[in-house]
Amino acid sequence: DTEVTQTPKHLVMGMTNKKSLKCEQHMGHRAMYWYKQKAKKPPELMFVYSYEKLSINESVPSRFSPECPNSSLLNLHLHALQPEDSALYLCASSRRTGPNTGELFFGEGSRLTVL
Amino acid sequence: AQSVAQPEDQVNVAEGNPLTVKCTYSVSGNPYLFWYVQYPNRGLQFLLKYITGDNLVKGSYGFEAEFNKSQTSFHLKKPSALVSDSALYFCAVRDEGNAGNMLTFGGGTRLMVKP
Repeated sequence: DTEVTQTPKHLVMGMTNKKSLKCEQHMGHRAMYWYKQKAKKPPELMFVYSYEKLSINESVPSRFSPECPNSSLLNLHLHALQPEDSALYLCASSRRTGPNTGELFFGEGSRLTVL
Repeated sequence: AQSVAQPEDQVNVAEGNPLTVKCTYSVSGNPYLFWYVQYPNRGLQFLLKYITGDNLVKGSYGFEAEFNKSQTSFHLKKPSALVSDSALYFCAVRDEGNAGNMLTFGGGTRLMVKP
């Protein structure tokens, strides 16, 4: 069982909707990540939070807006998405970023379909 | 720059036979290497990692991997494959010398174990 919990597991939204994906971990990790994964492809890094501060934004369109309310929670706010944004969105956490980061722990993902 | 290659899109093996999933990497410093497994519609599960020390690393579910510095490889192995091992496997690398570096994933290898 994963120790990173993502909700919802499935989400269908129209292009004008506003929705949010949520991620929670209670391992005391201080780094949290959002990845996007298309079918049969590797995960692509979107955002990294380190100690609740955004440290990396991989040139993600502004229709994706991350938020880290505290060290255990990570949200991804979605607005005006396009059908090509349909994918599996994975949250991950690690002890920290930088040297000795260790492995990432992934959630089960949120399957997003944009109509 | 860091990169990782998984030269085989798919590996087929009969149940009970040994399996190998290949991975080669390129980093400018010392590598941190990881293997993850992904079952359909699930997140990535950590299998094993190489940081320093013994070149043969043992991980979850009977998997092991051998770090070969001269060949810049980190192949995943298992002595006797199970049908339940059928999944998508990702190799990943991080350059130890670059504090800001995130994980780079290989393209993935689909393992099919047939009864």
